[in-house]
Amino acid sequence: AQSVAQPEDQVNVAEGNPLTVKCTYSVSGNPYLFWYVQYPNRGLQFLLKYITGDNLVKGSYGFEAEFNKSQTSFHLKKPSALVSDSALYFCAVRDMDTGFQKLVFGTGTRLLVSP
Amino acid sequence: NAGVTQTPKFQVLKTGQSMTLQCAQDMNHNSMYWYRQDPGMGLRLIYYSASEGTTDKGEVPNGYNVSRLNKREFSLRLESAAPSQTSVYFCASSEGGPFDQPQHFGDGTRLSIL
Repeated sequence: AQSVAQPEDQVNVAEGNPLTVKCTYSVSGNPYLFWYVQYPNRGLQFLLKYITGDNLVKGSYGFEAEFNKSQTSFHLKKPSALVSDSALYFCAVRDMDTGFQKLVFGTGTRLLVSP
Repeated sequence: NAGVTQTPKFQVLKTGQSMTLQCAQDMNHNSMYWYRQDPGMGLRLIYYSASEGTTDKGEVPNGYNVSRLNKREFSLRLESAAPSQTSVYFCASSEGGPFDQPQHFGDGTRLSIL
């Protein structure tokens, strides 16, 4: 079965510093990977996806993610954090066991950016 | 440009009561989903509908039923609510077809069962 793990419940970073939110995956076959962000009292918003191609994927709000096949990782990065980036971040992988697009989500990582 | 709309936003029920959570999308998406979000557990899929007229169980379907009323609407019903169903429920939709299409989420229904 497909799965993703987010090893950190919370990441703290100062504004202006680079940030990394970690995600590792376990899939059979080629992975389809996604990052979503959730702001308080809101639904999840799509940030970026990796399907194939370049290992560095660029997404919304200045975020990017690095796909590393040998380490089975898909870490979310941003060169310079903003206080407004404080939110809950979810990594997800497409469930390959069926022919239909279902996603399996990680448990989420809370990002706190301090001024 | 509403996207995915869920009603109600909040609800408190007593154990044993029933209720239906409503979801509608205006993006002409084929596929729709219901998730529940619990602290420390991420999002878990309850039911999904790949296309109008079809529904399938997800990871945690027990205690729930769904209806895909038409292409726009996908409702979730709790027949006899239990405290373990206290959660935040999210509806989502996607175009379906190609496997890399992102899902679009509503803002959730916060449900408390006493």
